Amino acid sequence: DQQVKQNSPSLSVQEGRISILNCDYTNSMFDYFLWYKKYPAEGPTFLISISSIKDKNEDGRFTVFLNKSAKHLSLHIVPSQPGDSAVYFCAARIRGSNYKLTFGKGTLLTVNP
Amino acid sequence: GAGVSQSPSNKVTEKGKDVELRCDPISGHTALYWYRQSLGQGLEFLIYFQGNSAPDKSGLPSDRFSAERTGGSVSTLTIQRTQQEDSAVYLCASSSPARTDTQYFGPGTRLTVL
Repeated sequence: DQQVKQNSPSLSVQEGRISILNCDYTNSMFDYFLWYKKYPAEGPTFLISISSIKDKNEDGRFTVFLNKSAKHLSLHIVPSQPGDSAVYFCAARIRGSNYKLTFGKGTLLTVNP
Repeated sequence: GAGVSQSPSNKVTEKGKDVELRCDPISGHTALYWYRQSLGQGLEFLIYFQGNSAPDKSGLPSDRFSAERTGGSVSTLTIQRTQQEDSAVYLCASSSPARTDTQYFGPGTRLTVL
């Protein structure tokens, strides 16, 4: 039972354009969401997060949007760069737990020069 | 070292053998986590250590899996009588006690059970 779903296994965009990575969740007890980025042969690295009390969080080229009613979040990367090519994981944390994360399967983003 | 380190980076073993995977967390990080990523899957939580508290073992898939954390630092994940379905990348992460939401991952150990 996948509680965090990333339905697109891959996404390809042109350099300079916007990348939009999507994530859906089913558990209404999730109150904190994170995006991690993973290069081959490396561990995931934290990218950006958002609390359920917000609907948007921005950090440089990265913005995460949260739509609680739709149980949907998205990561926008603008402008996309070839170095952004990686697997992006969406993760969620249940209210009351300060550590246990549930991850999606990941989306492979390829940014073409 | 600045980051989380794991050893070995790759491990090939035969079905039925025991394996030990090691994790060195970031110095000063009292929280340590083990995850597993099977092919085509997301990261699956296995176990969590926080200081001297009893670990949260709720993610361990069977009693063949166990983990220790000695001296509040290095951790070893042991898989006994390995099965082919244990083949995966095993990732360790650590975090500071104040920021358990931001976990720093090691590069992982790729385990292949033949």
